[in-house]
Amino acid sequence: GESVGLHLPTLSVQEGDNSIINCAYSNSASDYFIWYKQESGKGPQFIIDIRSNMDKRQGQRVTVLLNKTVKHLSLQIAATQPGDSAVYFCAEIQGGTSYGKLTFGQGTILTVHP
Amino acid sequence: DAMVIQNPRYQVTQFGKPVTLSCSQTLNHNVMYWYQQKSSQAPKLLFHYYDKDFNNEADTPDNFQSRRPNTSFCFLDIRSPGLGDAAMYLCATSRDWGDQPQHFGDGTRLSIL
Repeated sequence: GESVGLHLPTLSVQEGDNSIINCAYSNSASDYFIWYKQESGKGPQFIIDIRSNMDKRQGQRVTVLLNKTVKHLSLQIAATQPGDSAVYFCAEIQGGTSYGKLTFGQGTILTVHP
Repeated sequence: DAMVIQNPRYQVTQFGKPVTLSCSQTLNHNVMYWYQQKSSQAPKLLFHYYDKDFNNEADTPDNFQSRRPNTSFCFLDIRSPGLGDAAMYLCATSRDWGDQPQHFGDGTRLSIL
């Protein structure tokens, strides 16, 4: 569903640590998932995607894990850097009757301390 | 190189005064979207165009309209902005509808006086 809260979850890490951001999605019929990074004053930036026939996908310093059984998605960032500080949104392309609509999770604020 | 370009980046208008936000894309994508994003919230889809076909979300207020004169350009018109319409407006594109990544512009931040 859509985010309606005013208080986003936050994650604070030290530079060099690994970060894990979690997301629960709502539609069991969804087959495609995306992680976006949004820096202050900018639009969401595509990070990595995964389709439902996979449970893991790796990019540069990032890994996405998908558990369809419990409708859970996570983003792992290795060796987190100050430039990774941003809001991270998971998003699903809806399946079923709303097929094709991109729906965002509520977002997580990641702060990386030098 | 920016592929989805929104102008202006900041727009100030008066309560009730019509305003138009613009979006252009160099990706030659079939689908263009408009989202509204309020502070500390996720983007919310207002409507999208698949080529020339307009698709409105059921809960998008009538105050919001859109035009897509050609593949590259799409406009968001707010006919009578209210204070509650102050937000970031994001344009996005995708090659096709469905299981496709959407590419976002950097948005226009709209303020209402």
